[in-house]
Amino acid sequence: QKEVEQDPGPLSVPEGAIVSLNCTYSNSAFQYFMWYRQYSRKGPELLMYTYSSGNKEDGRFTAQVDKSSKYISLFIRDSQPSDSATYLCAMTSGTYKYIFGTGTRLKVLA
Amino acid sequence: NAGVMQNPRHLVRRRGQEARLRCSPMKGHSHVYWYRQLPEEGLKFMVYLQKENIIDESGMPKERFSAEFPKEGPSILRIQQVVRGDSAAYFCASSSADGLDSPLHFGNGTRLTVT
Repeated sequence: QKEVEQDPGPLSVPEGAIVSLNCTYSNSAFQYFMWYRQYSRKGPELLMYTYSSGNKEDGRFTAQVDKSSKYISLFIRDSQPSDSATYLCAMTSGTYKYIFGTGTRLKVLA
Repeated sequence: NAGVMQNPRHLVRRRGQEARLRCSPMKGHSHVYWYRQLPEEGLKFMVYLQKENIIDESGMPKERFSAEFPKEGPSILRIQQVVRGDSAAYFCASSSADGLDSPLHFGNGTRLTVT
């Protein structure tokens, strides 16, 4: 069993939809959770960074962590075609060794 | 305001040749990390370096792979005697500290193809 599970998609939604991306994990020691966005042929770009449980909002993006369920989510409101990318979750117990999900491919249709 | 710079962007090598991948961290960053990405797989940690020191190379195969981050100049990931299985995207990331108030910033990667 992988430490971090992420549905690879692709996930296709119409422009303006609310998108929900999720990861589950097995290691209860994970305390720090990140979401990265990766466009084709580019490097991952940090979107959100949260510690422990709770919500964090930044513009159209909301990150949610539920440590009791070992489940994290990224919500994108008013999705745009420019949001089409692969979204990677990452987490760590407190070291530089991030564990990444395999990524979910998102397509926002105009 | 340059981010993490990697070169070359694409590298083609024949089996048995050497591959050298370069990474210049963001200005002010002294911590460098190398990750490898295969299609349908997540990013896999390879090695963590600070200036002139290898801190953790536990994710890097002992044979054929080496990394350095000299006092002056970029970090280098070196793969000797490449094999087809080395074909992948190699990403470098940097941070200003190893604490979690300094998340990783990635470059755009080097795509290595071994023919």
